[in-house]
Amino acid sequence: GQSLEQPSEVTAVEGAIVQINCTYQTSGFYGLSWYQQHDGGAPTFLSYNGLDGLEETGRFSSFLSRSDSYGYLLLQELQMKDSASYFCAVKSNYQLIWGAGTKLIIKP
Amino acid sequence: SAVISQKPSRDICQRGTSLTIQCQVDSQVTMMFWYRQQPGQSLTLIATANQGSEATYESGFVIDKFPISRPNLTFSTLTVSNMSPEDSSIYLCSVERNGFGNGYTFGSGTRLTVV
Repeated sequence: GQSLEQPSEVTAVEGAIVQINCTYQTSGFYGLSWYQQHDGGAPTFLSYNGLDGLEETGRFSSFLSRSDSYGYLLLQELQMKDSASYFCAVKSNYQLIWGAGTKLIIKP
Repeated sequence: SAVISQKPSRDICQRGTSLTIQCQVDSQVTMMFWYRQQPGQSLTLIATANQGSEATYESGFVIDKFPISRPNLTFSTLTVSNMSPEDSSIYLCSVERNGFGNGYTFGSGTRLTVV
C-alpha cells in the first residue's frame, strides 16, 4: 500500500527551530509537498521538492532524499502564528497521497 | 496561482436531504479534486473531476452518493446525497497550481453538519 508517516504532534518554543519529518512509501513519486492548515482553515501550499536537496522559502525550508524516501520541513524563528497542522503529501501518478498531519504546538 | 471560491462555507442539514457544494475557479483548469476531511484528520480524496467526462471516484466513494458536475473548465459541484450524520465533515475542492512546483490550491471548505 501507499503511506506517509509523520509525527502526530511536535511542541516547540517561540523563536526556536523545529523539524517535521516525513517518510513515504508510494508506488510512484513525482515530488514531496508540504501544506499548512490552521484550525478551521483550508490547507495552504508551503513548498515542493521534486529533486534531492534543500529548498528555502523565507523562514521555511524543505528537504528531500529520494534514496531514503524521506523529507522534512524546517521552520525557523518560530512565531505563535505558526501554530497549525502541517501535512506532507506525495504526488503519486495522478493524485496526492497525504500524511496524517503533524500538529505543531508553540509555547511562548 | 488560481483562486477558488467555494460555497456554502457551512451548513446544517437534516438527514435524508442533499447538499450541493460549488467551486468556482478564476482560471481554466483541467482537473478539479474533491476532498473530505474529518476534524483533526488528514484529507481523503473523493473524486477527480474532468471537464467533459465523468468524474473518477476513489475507493469507498460512489457516484450515487457523491454526484459531481463539471460543466466547464472553471466550475464544479459536489452533491452529498441522502445525508446521514456520518457525512458530517469538511468538504474541500482543489486545483493544481500550474507552474508552482506542483502545489495545489484549495477552496475555503464547506463545514457540513448533518442532524
